[in-house]
Amino acid sequence: SYELTQPPSVSVSPGQTATITCSGETLGDKYTSWYQQTPGQSPVLVIYEDTKRPSGIPERFSGSNSGNTATLTISGTQPTDEADYYCQAWVSSTVVVFGGGTKLTVL
Amino acid sequence: QGQLVESGGGVVQTGRSLRLACSASEFTFSSYAMHWVRQAPGKGLEWVAFIWYDGSKKNYVDSVKGRFTISRDNSKNTLYLQMNSLRAEDTAVYYCARETVGAIPYFDSWGQGTLVTVSS
Repeated sequence: SYELTQPPSVSVSPGQTATITCSGETLGDKYTSWYQQTPGQSPVLVIYEDTKRPSGIPERFSGSNSGNTATLTISGTQPTDEADYYCQAWVSSTVVVFGGGTKLTVL
Repeated sequence: QGQLVESGGGVVQTGRSLRLACSASEFTFSSYAMHWVRQAPGKGLEWVAFIWYDGSKKNYVDSVKGRFTISRDNSKNTLYLQMNSLRAEDTAVYYCARETVGAIPYFDSWGQGTLVTVSS
């Protein structure tokens, strides 16, 4: 079965750039979305179609996808960005897969 | 953006059944495919099932095939998940999520989730 692999945790200092990766076989051939989830809350979409930001998501969030790896980049990371982040892709037209999630710590 | 509200969670014994519901409002429910996604305590998101806007196509993650059934009633703006033969590993918060309309879908609206606890 298809799997998306994320690092369990990433740490970043405030104001620095955080990079969260998501790896999967030929992931670059698929479109990836990213979701942010804070404790006790539902997931929120932060990136879709690899690189697009929904309205209301700060410009410091960006995405890319090539080869076997999709990347979520948060520039000028804020303490409020501390959360779990999940990548998501479609394996087929009827099967969805999520990455295992990455806990972003801002310290 | 639309609103989704799940209900029906609770504590249930192993092997028993439970039906979850997801009530949709503030958007044209019958135009959207819908999904169930779950999250076990302290774990990540796991996609569970989806259903097309008209109910004509469905699919499930392998671990629930034959036990769970997704359905919808567009006249009531409600999505359902019938869960039978429940196991301890089905314990999770269950979210319903709306799939965007388009060639490259994603989930743009989520409910607040309902907790299902399967206990022996």
